[in-house]
Amino acid sequence: GDSVTQMEGPVTLSEEAFLTINCTYTATGYPSLFWYVQYPGEGLQLLLKATKADDKGSNKGFEATYRKETTSFHLEKGSVQVSDSAVYFCALSDQQAGTALIFGKGTTLSVSS
Amino acid sequence: KAGVTQTPRYLIKTRGQQVTLSCSPISGHRSVSWYQQTPGQGLQFLFEYFSETQRNKGNFPGRFSGRQFSNSRSEMNVSTLELGDSALYLCASSQTQQSYEQYFGPGTRLTVT
Repeated sequence: GDSVTQMEGPVTLSEEAFLTINCTYTATGYPSLFWYVQYPGEGLQLLLKATKADDKGSNKGFEATYRKETTSFHLEKGSVQVSDSAVYFCALSDQQAGTALIFGKGTTLSVSS
Repeated sequence: KAGVTQTPRYLIKTRGQQVTLSCSPISGHRSVSWYQQTPGQGLQFLFEYFSETQRNKGNFPGRFSGRQFSNSRSEMNVSTLELGDSALYLCASSQTQQSYEQYFGPGTRLTVT
């Protein structure tokens, strides 16, 4: 079945450092890919999305490119802030599996000043 | 536009009891999905409702059930609670059944003692 694998955390960075969180997927169809973020004590917020190969999703300085050849959707940010500290989830939705989101395990990011 | 709301936010129940959680989607959204989040299993899809019909169901026992009302509000019910049902239950809404972009509520934290 479909699945998402993302790098284990926690990831600890200093403010203004470069961030990469790796995400790869397995899907039988042509999934849409998402990054969600969860701040402490809150629900999930959609961070960015890409619906087809080579699409680049971007929001709040975060970017991710849908790479079909490597089945990847890595999250990047050029300069992280303390306020970016949260848990990041990579997810996919495959039409053949309905609209259910399949999530990775989540990566905890901690940014210190 | 108001976001997804979930009630109650926190709940403590005893093993063997049953519980009902409520979710009000974003106005105009007709699809509601439920997810269970636990430290061990991560985020797992429970079920999805669209126009009062269950469209998709995850791999959970029959103790977990749900329904959707004509105003798109949804409830989920867990009967004969077990300790392992302790989790954050998240509700997400999307505009149509073809829309993979889901917006999450803050969740209901259920503790089973």
